[in-house]
Amino acid sequence: GAVVSQHPSWVICKSGTSVKIECRSLDFQATTMFWYRQFPKQSLMLMATSNEGSKATYEQGVEKDKFLINHASLTLSTLTVTSAHPEDSSFYICSASWGSSEQYFGPGTRLTVT
Amino acid sequence: QKEVEQNSGPLSVPEGAIASLNCTYSDRGSQSFFWYRQYSGKSPELIMFIYSNGDKEDGRFTAQLNKASQYVSLLIRDSQPSDSATYLCVAGADGLTFGKGTHLIIQP
Repeated sequence: GAVVSQHPSWVICKSGTSVKIECRSLDFQATTMFWYRQFPKQSLMLMATSNEGSKATYEQGVEKDKFLINHASLTLSTLTVTSAHPEDSSFYICSASWGSSEQYFGPGTRLTVT
Repeated sequence: QKEVEQNSGPLSVPEGAIASLNCTYSDRGSQSFFWYRQYSGKSPELIMFIYSNGDKEDGRFTAQLNKASQYVSLLIRDSQPSDSATYLCVAGADGLTFGKGTHLIIQP
């Protein structure tokens, strides 16, 4: 149980374009989903927390107009990186929880912006 | 500022030995503690959680919690090369606070 999927697993896009990443909880209803970013050899960095039907709460320093998060249902959250630039290239990971503290992570999406 | 401190390593342990991973946390209000394993290029995988003082065993893994000392540890018995990974210690109170991880290398 507690399976979280992400799509796509990797994406290459051109600078200035937007990319949408989907995160789905497959066998449970996720009341809260989290979006993280991880650069090579660095630790996870929490970008934002989203509850179903509510606006996401962004961490300090994360531009909410650049990283658009939609948590439309209890099984789906999306992260859209708008006007992506090479410095946005990173490993984006979502996680989900259903009220307990445990978070279950998706497999991640590797974004490369050229 | 809530913090979880871990030695970044690398921690090198011979195959078959016990690997001991430790962390301390700053928020006395933390109620739940987790160990995640992260292989290079992959996302974290939950391997253990513990809520009460004492030991919790699951297969080759034992998590230990001492709330008075604000100390959490993970023991891996009969270490295998496949255990080589970065281990993240996480404390939960109002949200989760992640440590930066300990890089564990099991030497064949």
